Amino acid sequence: DAKTTQPNSMESNEEEPVHLPCNHSTISGTDYIHWYRQLPSQGPEYVIHGLTSNVNNRMASLAIAEDRKSSTLILHRATLRDAAVYYCILRDPGSNYQLIWGAGTKLIIKP
Amino acid sequence: EAQVTQNPRYLITVTGKKLTVTCSQNMNHEYMSWYRQDPGLGLRQIYYSMNVEVTDKGDVPEGYKVSRKEKRNFPLILESPSPNQTSLYFCASSLEGTQGYGYTFGSGTRLTVV
Repeated sequence: DAKTTQPNSMESNEEEPVHLPCNHSTISGTDYIHWYRQLPSQGPEYVIHGLTSNVNNRMASLAIAEDRKSSTLILHRATLRDAAVYYCILRDPGSNYQLIWGAGTKLIIKP
Repeated sequence: EAQVTQNPRYLITVTGKKLTVTCSQNMNHEYMSWYRQDPGLGLRQIYYSMNVEVTDKGDVPEGYKVSRKEKRNFPLILESPSPNQTSLYFCASSLEGTQGYGYTFGSGTRLTVV
């Protein structure tokens, strides 16, 4: 199975950038890297996804290493509302349509 | 507003009493799926549907049924619920089932089977 490794938790100060790392050394050439977040008592929320090039949207940026074995989700200016569990996810090569969810990184934002 | 709507949000039921959790999306998405989330186990896929009348098992399908008679609806059926099905359930949809698209999730259904 394609797996990801993320730190269990990270802390950051409000209004500062946050870099959330993810390792995925067994990624295949056609696997997209997806990021979701889950706020307390809510369903997961799509953040961003990418294949090879760095990606930007209104929520975050995704920086993908040249060898694609790691990636970093960047929140440019964290707010208290960004406190959540962030999941870095790959597709299961054994199933065309299933994303494999790990434990994620719990992001704590300090005021 | 584009959304996935699940009902009910909370449900307490007794062992063996059939129940249905509804899921509806208003985005004309082809792909829909059901997940359960348990402490320490993360999100696990129960069933998914690539399109109308096309469904397939995920990681943990035992004890569950689904149907996809219309594009917008994907109900989850527990024919004979048991306490080990106590969990937080999420429905999700995506434009297509390929990995190039993001998923939209519902707000969740917290089910307790006693």
